[in-house]
This record gives sequence, C-alpha cells and structure tokens, in this order.
Amino acid sequence: DQQVKQNSPSLSVQEGRISILNCDYTNSMFDYFLWYKKYPAEGPTFLISISSIKDKNEDGRFTVFLNKSAKHLSLHIVPSQPGDSAVYFCAAMGGTSYGKLTFGQGTILTVHP
Amino acid sequence: DVKVTQSSRYLVKRTGEKVFLECVQDMDHENMFWYRQDPGLGLRLIYFSYDVKMKEKGDIPEGYSVSREKKERFSLILESASTNQTSMYLCASSPRGNYNEQFFGPGTRLTVL
Repeated sequence: DQQVKQNSPSLSVQEGRISILNCDYTNSMFDYFLWYKKYPAEGPTFLISISSIKDKNEDGRFTVFLNKSAKHLSLHIVPSQPGDSAVYFCAAMGGTSYGKLTFGQGTILTVHP
Repeated sequence: DVKVTQSSRYLVKRTGEKVFLECVQDMDHENMFWYRQDPGLGLRLIYFSYDVKMKEKGDIPEGYSVSREKKERFSLILESASTNQTSMYLCASSPRGNYNEQFFGPGTRLTVL
C-alpha cells in the first residue's frame, strides 16, 4: 500500500521555465512533508520541508505548497536550471509512524539548456 | 561537513550467503536508518535505531536484521541472501528529536546471484 505517491515518473523542462513536481498522500495522520533530491551515485539530500500548519514554504528558487484537503503537495522550482536535473522524492511523517519517513516513488526531472 | 559512509559502493554475493552492510556516521547522531531503493517503489525503510543497542522494524524488515553496538555504526545483515534482495541500500542518520532532515550515505548497490 503506497501511502505516498508520485504519479509522474519523469518530467522534462526547458531551462528558465518552472518545474512542478507533484505528490499525493493517503494517510491523514501525516503532518510533516519533505522533498529530497538525488543525483546519480549519491545519496538523497534534503531540499525543503513543510509542516501541516502551513500551506506554503519558500527557500530561494524552491517553493513547496501543501493542500491538506486534497492530500496533495507540490514542489515548484523557478527558474529551473540544468543543475536541478535529478530524481526528486517527496516524503511524509506523522501519527503513529512518527520517526519514520514514508517516501514516494520519485520523479526524474530533466532540465534542458 | 556531515558525513555518512557506507563500507562498499558495489557488492556481488551468491544466494544463501550472509551479507553485512556497514554504515558509519561522524555527526554524533542518535538516529540511524536503513532503506532500500528500487525502481518504481522509491525508498522503503527496513530498520531504524534510536540509540545504541536499540532497533525498530521499518516497513520491510523480513529477511534482514541489524546491529548497533556503537553510536556511530549501524550494520544491516542479510542472514541468507536471496535474489529479491538485489537492490540499492541507503543508510541515513539524524540527530535526536529531529527525524525530518536525514543525512544519507552514497548507497551500496548489492547484487545477489
């Protein structure tokens, strides 16, 4: 049972445009959400997070939006750069699973020059 | 600079062998985690540990065990390796009370023949 889903396996974007990566979750007890970025041959690195008491969190070119009623979050990257090309994982935590992160399947982002 | 290291980048083992994957962190973190990453499934938590000699099952603990004798070291053990355990294994750590931002090692690509 996939509690965190990233339904788009891949996304291709032109440099300078906006990248939007989506994530859906089913467990209503999740109250903290994170995005990780992974380059080939490296471990994932933390990118940005959001608590369920907020609906938006911004860090430079990266913004995460949370829609609790729809159980949906998205990561916006503006403007996209070729160095952003990586696999992006969303993750969630909360309720009885506190201390454990549940990850989505990942989305491969390719930013073309 | 925070660092999580894993003993091998690539490992090839035969079915039935006992396999040890080692992870060491130099950040004095209390929490350590073992995940496996498979295409289309994202990262799935195998085991985690809050402290020395403590361990908790993750989402897919079957076929695995762990050992944490020292704070900086967390070992994943495959008692009798099987072909369905061929995967990328990722270790992570985080400080006490902060499960959110986990720091990952580079991963071990294990192939079981």
